[in-house]
Amino acid sequence: QSVLTQPPSASGTPGQRVTISCSGSSSNIGSNTVNWYQQLPGTAPKLLIYSNNQRPSGVPDRFSGSKSGTSASLAISGLQSEDEADYYCAAWDDSLNGQVFGTGTKVTVL
Amino acid sequence: EVQLLESGGGLVQPGGSLRLSCAASGFTFSSYAMSWVRQAPGKGLEWVSAISGSGGSTYYADSVKGRFTISRDNSKNTLYLQMNSLRAEDTAVYYCAKSEAAIPYYSSGNWFDPWGQGTLVTVSS
Repeated sequence: QSVLTQPPSASGTPGQRVTISCSGSSSNIGSNTVNWYQQLPGTAPKLLIYSNNQRPSGVPDRFSGSKSGTSASLAISGLQSEDEADYYCAAWDDSLNGQVFGTGTKVTVL
Repeated sequence: EVQLLESGGGLVQPGGSLRLSCAASGFTFSSYAMSWVRQAPGKGLEWVSAISGSGGSTYYADSVKGRFTISRDNSKNTLYLQMNSLRAEDTAVYYCAKSEAAIPYYSSGNWFDPWGQGTLVTVSS
């Protein structure tokens, strides 16, 4: 069962900005950093954002992350067709003593 | 280049056992925590277990505690997941993933990068 809540879907036309929310609690997002993963169809997940707002090398600056209190968000600006994928937030949970993932959001480019 | 290669998946009957392996290369294996994450067909990601770089500390999701055992052999650069008393709900693709810190909960490195390609475990009679 997922501890972090995300909207099941999000969509936009090419060039638009899409935002995905991730809601948690004081034991996870409220006290630890948030990471985001992108999973393209039929492939393994890939790190997209780490430590709330840091991009690994090779990730376009169209992707950005933020965190406030017990929530986090991922923004995709200048949406492109290759951004169609599932996106997951994740954080360590101090109460569960383990990682927790979000429920996942499927992004569709219209 | 950092690479992770899982193996050991397959079809097993309910109540059976299976051991997954993850061969690592391209980095100093013993310096980094490692994790197993699974994904049931058509479902989201679920963290299963983690182990510190030294192997001295282990962590489990409640759903597998007491049935699964994570371990590592730093001399062989290999991560393992021993799965016992398997249930239908354990059916999933199992991924191994590298953390960026020796301890899995350190904020300085608690993300997963990279991930292996995954190995499918099917529990069915």
